[in-house]
This record gives sequence, structure tokens and C-alpha cells, in this order.
Amino acid sequence: QSVLTQPPSVSAAAGQRVTITCSGSSLNIGNNYVSWYQQYPGTAPKLLIYDNNKRPSGIPDRFFGSKSGTSATLGITGLQTGDEADYYCGTWDSSLNAGVFGGGTKLTVL
Amino acid sequence: QLQLQESGPGLVKPSETLSLTCTVTGGSISSSVYYWGWIRQPPGKGLEWIGSIYNSGSAYYNPSLKSRVTMSVDTSRNQFSLNLRSVTAADTAVYYCARDLRVAVAGIDYWGQGTLVTVSS
Repeated sequence: QSVLTQPPSVSAAAGQRVTITCSGSSLNIGNNYVSWYQQYPGTAPKLLIYDNNKRPSGIPDRFFGSKSGTSATLGITGLQTGDEADYYCGTWDSSLNAGVFGGGTKLTVL
Repeated sequence: QLQLQESGPGLVKPSETLSLTCTVTGGSISSSVYYWGWIRQPPGKGLEWIGSIYNSGSAYYNPSLKSRVTMSVDTSRNQFSLNLRSVTAADTAVYYCARDLRVAVAGIDYWGQGTLVTVSS
């Protein structure tokens, strides 16, 4: 049971926009930066967003991140079939004194 | 281009110690401001942060594993290592080494390919 809660799955049509939420508390998301990762089966995760809303070099601006209070959101616009993957949020938890990840969300592009 | 590569046994017996090494190429551990960490993923499950270490040797561990984990860094070899003692089947997972922008899950921007470690007799 992760301290960060993500929906197990989301789906949307190709070309549309989808958002994935990550809910936490003041002990983690509320007072720390959030990062987001994309993972295809059998491969290592890839950093999409760090510091709530910054994109590493090479990540298209179709991917965006935001944070409000104790929740963070990853958004993807112009969905492509290649975006089908698992997505994880992560941050620091000040109570646990540990890095934590959400349980992951499987994105299906219809 | 920075690359990380895990190495170590793929099979460990219960109650023994899991030992993995991560070799970093394309950049120096000692000259960077980054943290170097380990993350694991049991088959079919999500990611779990194990811990991070700085090039000075300062380490931070997941409290749930802290009693069994030791990390170390060898700047002369540009490597860092993970030891997990008294393993059980619950420690079976793909283990990733990675670089983090700060101490823990701030932004893990480089990952190794991962290595599956199975705990079984």
C-alpha cells in the first residue's frame, strides 16, 4: 500500500488528452517536489517530469505536470498509441524519511 | 552519454546476502552533485525506493529495509554497490541502479537496464 495514490488505469482515445492524478499528503506531495516516470513492459522507467512541472531535455511538451496542495497531475495531450505504458509518480516523504512512488497507472490508448 | 550497468548474481538463497554493483560510464561519480540510488520492482508490481548514496558516502535508506541494507561508493572504480542481508522470497525483484537529481526520487534521470534477482533455494 503506497502513501501515494494513483488510479490503477486510465484510458482515452488517440489524439485526446488524459490526466493521471497522484494523491498524497502534506508529508510528501504537499511539501516536496514531484517527479513522473513512464515505463514500458520489460524496460527501465524513464523520467518525464521533475520538480513538479519541468521536462528533461528530449521530453516533448505533450507531457506536462502540475501540483496543487497534496495532489499532483501528469497530463498528456495528443495521445499516441506509443504512450501506452505504466506511469508512476514519486516524491520524498518527510515522515518516512524515504523516497516513495505511487502504485502506478496503466494508460490505454483506445 | 551517461550509462549505468548493474552486475551481480541473478539467484540468491534465502537468508543470504544480495550483492549488486552499478558501474557508471560516461561520467564521474566523484565530480557530480547527484545522488546514486537503487530502486526495485517485484514481478508485476510497482517501484520501491531502496536508498541513495552521495559520492561522499552519505547514504539514505528506506526505513522498511534499513536494518538489512548497506550501500557504498567506490569513486576510484566509478561504482556504487548494494548489499541486502537476510533475503527472503519477498526480495525477488528487478533491481535498478540510477542517478537522482537529489536524495530521493527528486528526478531519477538515468537508469540501468535492471537485473532480475531471484531469491530461491
